Amino acid sequence: GAVVSQHPSWVICKSGTSVKIECRSLDFQATTMFWYRQFPKQSLMLMATSNEGSKATYEQGVEKDKFLINHASLTLSTLTVTSAHPEDSSFYICSGSGLAGVRYEQYFGPGTRLTVT
Amino acid sequence: DAKTTQPPSMDCAEGRAANLPCNHSTISGNEYVYWYRQIHSQGPQYIIHGLKNNETNEMASLIITEDRKSSTLILPHATLRDTAVYYCIVRVGGTGTASKLTFGTGTRLQVTL
Repeated sequence: GAVVSQHPSWVICKSGTSVKIECRSLDFQATTMFWYRQFPKQSLMLMATSNEGSKATYEQGVEKDKFLINHASLTLSTLTVTSAHPEDSSFYICSGSGLAGVRYEQYFGPGTRLTVT
Repeated sequence: DAKTTQPPSMDCAEGRAANLPCNHSTISGNEYVYWYRQIHSQGPQYIIHGLKNNETNEMASLIITEDRKSSTLILPHATLRDTAVYYCIVRVGGTGTASKLTFGTGTRLQVTL
């Protein structure tokens, strides 16, 4: 099956600093990547959609200047949380859409747990 | 995309079939039914999807009613490792598209000994 990795798997940072999360599709090319956020006991909420080489499209209510998304290649997307605050503490999950074997689907990474102190 | 309604939680004994229902009464003709699951603190895992015919793969079976207003995901022999939150999602396009997935609250399935 298709594999999506995220790095780091967890990170703790101080309030006011920036954190970068990497998302890689290891065995397929992800033409579109998605970033989700999940707070405890809640469902996944889509933050933004990005296509390789294009600017990301953000969902309503998501600050594009705070959550910087770069999708520089078909296998790598990054999410940078700038000037992080405790309320940004959450589980961030990426997914990539692409053809893996015979199936074109959306495959999810394992998630990154961010804690801002 | 159409909304879905799922029971918040279900229990199932290990070894028995788990039948997870989903209502999607406002589904459109070009919307597919997808099922994903999320084991605690992990990313969602694709299970199965279908348009109008019943589907089966190595993980599960998907039964879609003739009017397409509801569906049932069947795990034929549930194990403790199947304990997870199961999400039923309808979206336009199906295979070959990059349309976004909108997650609802899902059903928390607890498999017990």
